[in-house]
Amino acid sequence: EAGVTQFPSHSVIEKGQTVTLRCDPISGHDNLYWYRRVMGKEIKFLLHFVKESKQDESGMPNNRFLAERTGGTYSTLKVQPAELEDSGVYFCASSQLRTGNDYGYTFGSGTRLTVV
Amino acid sequence: AQKVTQAQTEISVVEKEDVTLDCVYETRDTTYYLFWYKQPPSGELVFLIRRNSFDEQNEISGRYSWNFQKSTSSFNFTITASQVVDSAVYFCALSEARGSSGGSNYKLTFGKGTLLTVNP
Repeated sequence: EAGVTQFPSHSVIEKGQTVTLRCDPISGHDNLYWYRRVMGKEIKFLLHFVKESKQDESGMPNNRFLAERTGGTYSTLKVQPAELEDSGVYFCASSQLRTGNDYGYTFGSGTRLTVV
Repeated sequence: AQKVTQAQTEISVVEKEDVTLDCVYETRDTTYYLFWYKQPPSGELVFLIRRNSFDEQNEISGRYSWNFQKSTSSFNFTITASQVVDSAVYFCALSEARGSSGGSNYKLTFGKGTLLTVNP
């Protein structure tokens, strides 16, 4: 089974530009999460989709961040306009809606965003 | 509010040494889950273990072992006979156990991670 795929793996943009990150979850996984790790700090929750619905977006830092999951498949996270403090690694994770396993989420490899 | 503290920012050991990574957590929930993840240089977060708050049994998986102590709110991770391939950042995480989906389908609170370097 293919894992969680994120792209791009790296992105360098200038302050004020727009960037869109994409996450393809494991097929059939209804739960999709976005997390972010700013340099040297902990990984922080951004939001959670169940299918196409936002279940919890309490971690979204501000209205410059927009996440979508049209059709309940892949998800995008857009940052517009990007600021220097948005630099970090953005992780996506997915899981089955009612998993009975003990494996928690499956994380992607992350997108390293650098805003200069 | 939930909080996870990994006091060790970086640890450096020589191959074959044993090493323990500390994790202390705070939560008001009586039911919760604890996790450890490994982030190798390739970047992805690799699941290592999940523990629920009602199961205080220590666990061993090969060279890895975990010591869960509710009395001290700690969930420490020990690597025995470390190897160079163990070099990575290790994250401890905590999740609530609410919702009908169970704890593994809820948001995680992570510690800052411990960078482990195993030298040959």
